[in-house]
Amino acid sequence: SQQGEEDPQALSIQEGENATMNCSYKTSINNLQWYRQNSGRGLVHLILIRSNEREKHSGRLRVTLDTSKKSSSLLITASRAADTASYFCATDDTDKLIFGTGTRLQVFP
Amino acid sequence: EAQVTQNPRYLITVTGKKLTVTCSQNMNHEYMSWYRQDPGLGLRQIYYSMNVEVTDKGDVPEGYKVSRKEKRNFPLILESPSPNQTSLYFCASENAGELFFGEGSRLTVL
Repeated sequence: SQQGEEDPQALSIQEGENATMNCSYKTSINNLQWYRQNSGRGLVHLILIRSNEREKHSGRLRVTLDTSKKSSSLLITASRAADTASYFCATDDTDKLIFGTGTRLQVFP
Repeated sequence: EAQVTQNPRYLITVTGKKLTVTCSQNMNHEYMSWYRQDPGLGLRQIYYSMNVEVTDKGDVPEGYKVSRKEKRNFPLILESPSPNQTSLYFCASENAGELFFGEGSRLTVL
């Protein structure tokens, strides 16, 4: 089954810097979502972008989608220590979401 | 408060001792699912349910059972747990494509 692959696997930045995470997937999608997971906790939905959208914003988050390249990026601007978490992309498949293995983001104060 | 509740949050058990992880949601969602999360493997779907009395296998169903007798509850049953089922388990419900996750159940099988 298709799976999103996040890149990089881990990212360390200073507070105030921007963080960019990328996701590539294998087959056609209807939508792509990004989720956040604090260590050992449940995932929390961040944003959903549909296949006919190219960019979407939510607060300090900006998501882009390039269906021709089968890739998406999540940009967190002006990062904060509280943004430290793992971030997962998820693509829709019949009756389920397929998650990637995630990017671990560490934001240092 | 809208939420998905799992119990227990932590459990250490021994091989072969049947256990059930409960999951309940108060959002009247029709779709519910179970995932396991393992280092390097991400989240993998175990079972899902489109509605009451409708369940289907996900990607890694072996060694697990589920039931969906009521809309709000979707328990995960391990009839004879084995050490390779040591993992972090998440229940989720879905609405309009968005998943709502429980806080997770960390299971260790000795």
